[in-house]
Amino acid sequence: QSVLTQPPSASGTPGQRVTISCSGSSSNIGSNYVYWYQQLPGTAPKLLIYRNNQRPSGVPDRFSGSKSGTSASLAISGLRSEDETDYYCAAWDDSLSGVVFGGGTKLTVL
Amino acid sequence: EVQLVESGGGLVQPGGSLRLSCAASGFTFSSYWMNWVRQAPGKGLVWVSRINSDGSSTNYADSVKGRFTISRDNAKNTLYLQMNSLRAEDTAVYYCARPKYDILPDYWGQGTLVTVSS
Repeated sequence: QSVLTQPPSASGTPGQRVTISCSGSSSNIGSNYVYWYQQLPGTAPKLLIYRNNQRPSGVPDRFSGSKSGTSASLAISGLRSEDETDYYCAAWDDSLSGVVFGGGTKLTVL
Repeated sequence: EVQLVESGGGLVQPGGSLRLSCAASGFTFSSYWMNWVRQAPGKGLVWVSRINSDGSSTNYADSVKGRFTISRDNAKNTLYLQMNSLRAEDTAVYYCARPKYDILPDYWGQGTLVTVSS
């Protein structure tokens, strides 16, 4: 059972906009930055969003992040077939003194 | 270019020990906190431990506290994870990872697989 809650799956058609939610609590999302990672099969995670809504250089602006209270969301617009993979949210947890991850969301491009 | 290369994984019996290493290059290793994160086969990411830049402060996930020890050798640009009393549920790919902006990891190694089985 992950500390941060994500839907196990999400889907959309090419060109569509999809969002992935991440729910936490006051000790993690509510008081710290949210990060989002993309993980292709058999590879290490790749940072997509840091500090709630910032994109590292090289990440397309199709990817965006937002946070409100104890929840966060990752939005992917102009969905492409190569976006079909796993996405994880993460945050620091003040109570646990550690990093907590969501359980991951598998995105399917129909 | 930041590079993190893990090694030391393999097959170990329940109750056994293993030490993982992570060789860092392309940045001033002694300036950064470092993390270990693991991923069981077909499962999600789970944070394991982190250590501050000079090795004087560490944090652990409850699931490994008392069994795993994180350490570093800044002269060798290497991060370690000593794993004792290993259990089947410790089977996973172990990644070392470095933050760039804040606490959370940004750069990741390719991972090393640890299998705990008799």
